[in-house]
Order: sequence, then structure tokens, then C-alpha cells
Amino acid sequence: GAGVSQSPSNKVTEKGKDVELRCDPISGHTALYWYRQSLGQGLEFLIYFQGNSAPDKSGLPSDRFSAERTGGSVSTLTIQRTQQEDSAVYLCASSIVIPGLTNYGYTFGSGTRLTVV
Amino acid sequence: QKEVEQDPGPLSVPEGAIVSLNCTYSNSAFQYFMWYRQYSRKGPELLMYTYSSGNKEDGRFTAQVDKSSKYISLFIRDSQPSDSATYLCAMSRIQGAQKLVFGQGTRLTINP
Repeated sequence: GAGVSQSPSNKVTEKGKDVELRCDPISGHTALYWYRQSLGQGLEFLIYFQGNSAPDKSGLPSDRFSAERTGGSVSTLTIQRTQQEDSAVYLCASSIVIPGLTNYGYTFGSGTRLTVV
Repeated sequence: QKEVEQDPGPLSVPEGAIVSLNCTYSNSAFQYFMWYRQYSRKGPELLMYTYSSGNKEDGRFTAQVDKSSKYISLFIRDSQPSDSATYLCAMSRIQGAQKLVFGQGTRLTINP
């Protein structure tokens, strides 16, 4: 597609429920990232994929958070047993990485606004 | 202490003013510096990208990096109401696919 697509755009869930957030990166972008943006806060790194593998998952806050990527394309971020502190905007970004060429940063999606009540 | 510090504002200036946005950082290994603009309920979009110290100009926007002071700036000349947004600085140690470290973002309003 023309841009990074995220779904749903908004999600309200009850505390304790599981949620799945989806990201469709730009076609051909090999790298995919998940970030979290809480109210008044900067972007907090969660996980990075290169292809289908995740070389850096150091930002996942707890074992309730997991992510996968299939076919080098779509990625799903899953939050199990959601808590109120999980309420935030979850942003996905993708980039193309070509060795020897400058990487001019990411292209972000519009995010999924998650509210846990 | 956060790796990247950015005054969250809010900052409000009249149309046509010169705007100065700044970030400081603590990790001397950062070499790649970016500014992102984020409109309400949208994802951040890349505005400026610089490597190491120096200046880079693009239209009304100028990015400055002073690695000796661990300080980066974004200047907006002839500011317009359409520049009203949150501006986030970001930086990384190496080029290529890896996580960026973001500042908190500065909320800017340009008043007509």
C-alpha cells in the first residue's frame, strides 16, 4: 500500500481481556517497528522486526506483550490480560534498509488508540 | 535521567515568528538525528534528518546539531498556522534498522 496501515484505529477493551493490534507496512519495507505513545509522553520503543525475526524486543514491558510478523509483511502486537496502564497509542512504523545506503528514518502509521476500562 | 530531554511546552507564537525547538541528550554515541512532526491523531512524519554535527536547511526549516554540547535544534522561519503540531526529536547510534530514541515532543501552536 501507499502507507503504513494500522487496525483498528480505536479499541476500547475491558481490563483483563486480550487484544490484537495489526500493522500492514509499506510493501517492500523489510524493517518494522512497534512503539507506544502514552499521553504527554514521547515514543517508547517496544520491538523491531527485520523480516520475520525480532533482533530487538527489549522494549516489551512484560510477558503479557508479544508480537509476530509473518511473510515479511503483516505484524500483530498482542497484549494479554490488559491493564489500565496499557492504555496508549500503539504506533507501527516501517523502513527499507539497503546496506551502504542512508536510511532516512521510518514511515509511521496513524496508530491504534487503546483504552482499557 | 532520560537519554533524550525535550521541553514539552506548550509553545505558542504569532504567525511569522521564528520558532526554536531543542533537545539535549546524554549518550555521546548518537550520530543520527531526526525531527518528526506529529499532527493530532496522526503518526509522526519525518521532517529533517542529519548526520553528526552541523546544519541542514530545507525550505523554512533548519536543523542544527552540536555534538560537543549534546544539543540539537530545529528552527522554523516564517511560521505558519499549518506548522501547529507536536515536534519530536529522535536519534540513533548507527545508521540502518534499529530503534530510535525519541524526546517527549514539544507541542507548538502558531497563532494567526
